[in-house]
Amino acid sequence: GAVVSQHPSWVICKSGTSVKIECRSLDFQATTMFWYRQFPKQSLMLMATSNEGSKATYEQGVEKDKFLINHASLTLSTLTVTSAHPEDSSFYICSARVPGLAGGPADTQYFGPGTRLTVL
Amino acid sequence: GQNIDQPTEMTATEGAIVQINCTYQTSGFNGLFWYQQHAGEAPTFLSYNVLDGLEEKGRFSSFLSRSKGYSYLLLKELQMKDSASYLCAVWGGDYKLSFGAGTTVTVRA
Repeated sequence: GAVVSQHPSWVICKSGTSVKIECRSLDFQATTMFWYRQFPKQSLMLMATSNEGSKATYEQGVEKDKFLINHASLTLSTLTVTSAHPEDSSFYICSARVPGLAGGPADTQYFGPGTRLTVL
Repeated sequence: GQNIDQPTEMTATEGAIVQINCTYQTSGFNGLFWYQQHAGEAPTFLSYNVLDGLEEKGRFSSFLSRSKGYSYLLLKELQMKDSASYLCAVWGGDYKLSFGAGTTVTVRA
């Protein structure tokens, strides 16, 4: 259980275009999802918290108008990188909060496989 | 703010034991996670500690001392497939995880 998928796995786009990344919880409902960004040889940096049915909460320094997040249903959150530039090239990873799984911690996160974005 | 430190790299031979230390200073604490991440892939959950002490799961064990702001991940009977990056992450509240930079473990034959 607790499978999270992302689509696409990788994408190459031209500078100035927009890219949408989908994050789905396949076998559970996720009221809260998180979006992270990871540059090469660096750690995951939380970008925003996505709550179903409400506006996302962005971390300091993350432009909400550039990184649009929509959590339209309990199984889907999307991240749209608008007007992408080469410096936006990164590994984008989503995770879904799973409360109270049996045999696990009271609350944990399971990660999607990630989306590698390359902006030319 | 959150400050999480772990060594950058470690190397060990197959069959050996390696201990990855993590120290943290966070504004709140609701637990500490260890994740394994292979190159180009997303992290996978290894362990969770919220109380002081040792949690053992097969070849992997994780220890926590909240008073010292310290944790370690112990990998026993190392296998080649254990070569990966190991991430220490602190759950500081609001269900947000703060990650260390990761420790790259290289297992040699």
